[in-house]
Amino acid sequence: DAMVIQNPRYQVTQFGKPVTLSCSQTLNHNVMYWYQQKSSQAPKLLFHYYDKDFNNEADTPDNFQSRRPNTSFCFLDIRSPGLGDAAMYLCATSRNPGHNEQFFGPGTRLTVL
Amino acid sequence: EDQVTQSPEALRLQEGESSSLNCSYTVSGLRGLFWYRQDPGKGPEFLFTLYSAGEEKEKERLKATLTKKESFLHITAPKPEDSATYLCAVHVNTGNQFYFGTGTSLTVIP
Repeated sequence: DAMVIQNPRYQVTQFGKPVTLSCSQTLNHNVMYWYQQKSSQAPKLLFHYYDKDFNNEADTPDNFQSRRPNTSFCFLDIRSPGLGDAAMYLCATSRNPGHNEQFFGPGTRLTVL
Repeated sequence: EDQVTQSPEALRLQEGESSSLNCSYTVSGLRGLFWYRQDPGKGPEFLFTLYSAGEEKEKERLKATLTKKESFLHITAPKPEDSATYLCAVHVNTGNQFYFGTGTSLTVIP
């Protein structure tokens, strides 16, 4: 089945230690998104890629970076995680831009010690 | 400032008791309004997209409607498996932004 896969499902890191979260998709969609979702809050869009074109949301901290080496993979890099970055990180894809129907992965829950 | 508000925050229904969830928005230019369902510990699951006032979409026990100020998600004769958080999201002209509302947590009691 075509799907969005996130690894790992759970990640523990230390304060200030860089961490990378991974997302892959078998849907061959053009757009990939990264969201941050804190407990009992709505998902917040961090950035998205339309093919290789990177689109950063205005209020996304510089501490968050992303890479998309090919259509199938997208990475979220947190350069110096703080306690406030503990959250669920969701990856999503859509066929076309315009934030149309998005397919979400199961998420990676990040804990910062 | 663009704003999306969902109400109620939480809703408990008896099985079979129909109701509606509300998503009101104040945005500079709406490009699309989306409904998603999210189960605990999982990513959101797409339900509907609405683009213009008067538009309606249906899927099983769910029906979404859109006016110029708000959207409703009507749930007819809900079942316990409909229990989830329902999120609406908007795509707006200003800065081509996209953001979710805070959701309505629905519990359907057998």
